[in-house]
Amino acid sequence: DAGVTQSPTHLIKTRGQHVTLRCSPISGHKSVSWYQQVLGQGPQFIFQYYEKEERGRGNFPDRFSARQFPNYSSELNVNALLLGDSALYLCASSLGPGTKAVTEAFFGQGTRLTVV
Amino acid sequence: AQSVTQLGSHVSVSEGALVLLRCNYSSSVPPYLFWYVQYPNQGLQLLLKYTSAATLVKGINGFEAEFKKSETSFHLTKPSAHMRDAAEYFCAVSPSGGYQKVTFGTGTKLQVIP
Repeated sequence: DAGVTQSPTHLIKTRGQHVTLRCSPISGHKSVSWYQQVLGQGPQFIFQYYEKEERGRGNFPDRFSARQFPNYSSELNVNALLLGDSALYLCASSLGPGTKAVTEAFFGQGTRLTVV
Repeated sequence: AQSVTQLGSHVSVSEGALVLLRCNYSSSVPPYLFWYVQYPNQGLQLLLKYTSAATLVKGINGFEAEFKKSETSFHLTKPSAHMRDAAEYFCAVSPSGGYQKVTFGTGTKLQVIP
């Protein structure tokens, strides 16, 4: 079984540009979460989507947006990139709420975004 | 609200020595607790999880952690460190119900000295 897949693996963008990061969850998982991990820090929660609806949002500016598609894959969009947006962006998938089985988040390898 | 505090951003142990990585949590609801490991330039791998069953949790690669509610702690241990254990370790907490927003600590980098 394929795990969580993210694309691209690495990306270099210029300040002010826009970026789209993509994530495909594990088959059968309906929830996708996005995290930002700045070098030397722990991951910070950005968004959670379940059944194509936003279910949670972290403390990030409106330049960050996301969506989830009918096949449960997801995109994270960042507008007007700043140098401080340089980070590893991690996608995690889980079964979602409402299940009796305990779920945990399975993480992808991440997309390394560098803003220059 | 939930948070975790990892004591010690860097820990060094000799190969074969006990590994102890400390984590304290704060949660307004009964928590689920996790330890993840991250190798350089990779994503996060789950080591173990606490989900309100047994308080002593055994994970992969010989790691275990004990949930102590009275101390709000969930420290990670391994009796004998191996060189391959050198990595960064993250403690994390999420609410036991509802949507799974996972809050991570700042991480502890483990160095294993031969």
